[in-house]
Amino acid sequence: QKEVEQDPGPLSVPEGAIVSLNCTYSNSAFQYFMWYRQYSRKGPELLMYTYSSGNKEDGRFTAQVDKSSKYISLFIRDSQPSDSATYLCAILDQGAQKLVFGQGTRLTINP
Amino acid sequence: KAGVTQTPRYLIKTRGQQVTLSCSPISGHRSVSWYQQTPGQGLQFLFEYFSETQRNKGNFPGRFSGRQFSNSRSEMNVSTLELGDSALYLCASSSPGQGRTQYFGPGTRLLVL
Repeated sequence: QKEVEQDPGPLSVPEGAIVSLNCTYSNSAFQYFMWYRQYSRKGPELLMYTYSSGNKEDGRFTAQVDKSSKYISLFIRDSQPSDSATYLCAILDQGAQKLVFGQGTRLTINP
Repeated sequence: KAGVTQTPRYLIKTRGQQVTLSCSPISGHRSVSWYQQTPGQGLQFLFEYFSETQRNKGNFPGRFSGRQFSNSRSEMNVSTLELGDSALYLCASSSPGQGRTQYFGPGTRLLVL
């Protein structure tokens, strides 16, 4: 079983839709959760960072962590064509001092 | 602040050659991590350096090595290149005070022929 599982998609939605991206993880000791956005031929860009359980909102983006279910989510409201990218969830393995990434979900927002 | 920079951005090598990639972290960041990204395996951790010391290493063969200098700049080296080493190599820097949030550079795209 992979440490972090993420549906690779691809996911295609119309402009203005609410997008839900999800990951599950296996190690209940994980406490730091991140979402990165990666445009084609670019490095990953940090979008959201959450510690422990709960919600965090930043503009049109909301990150949610449910530690009881070992489930993390990213919601994008009023999606725009410029949101088209690959979204990667990442979890900090503090013991090994490394980020463990999901496979990434390729998202396309259609005008 | 300037972001993480990586050089070169693109590289073409042939099997058996070796390659050195360079990474300059964000000013003030002392931790540098390296990752390999391929379509099949996604992003995989290579190693992490802090204050010129390798603190952790991923599950890669010994052909992959790295080092960090006193100014926190880092290099990674791949010897005896194989076709399967073709990938995007990403460097990330972090500061302990930020909960170890990692900021990535644009990557070096390596093609091995």
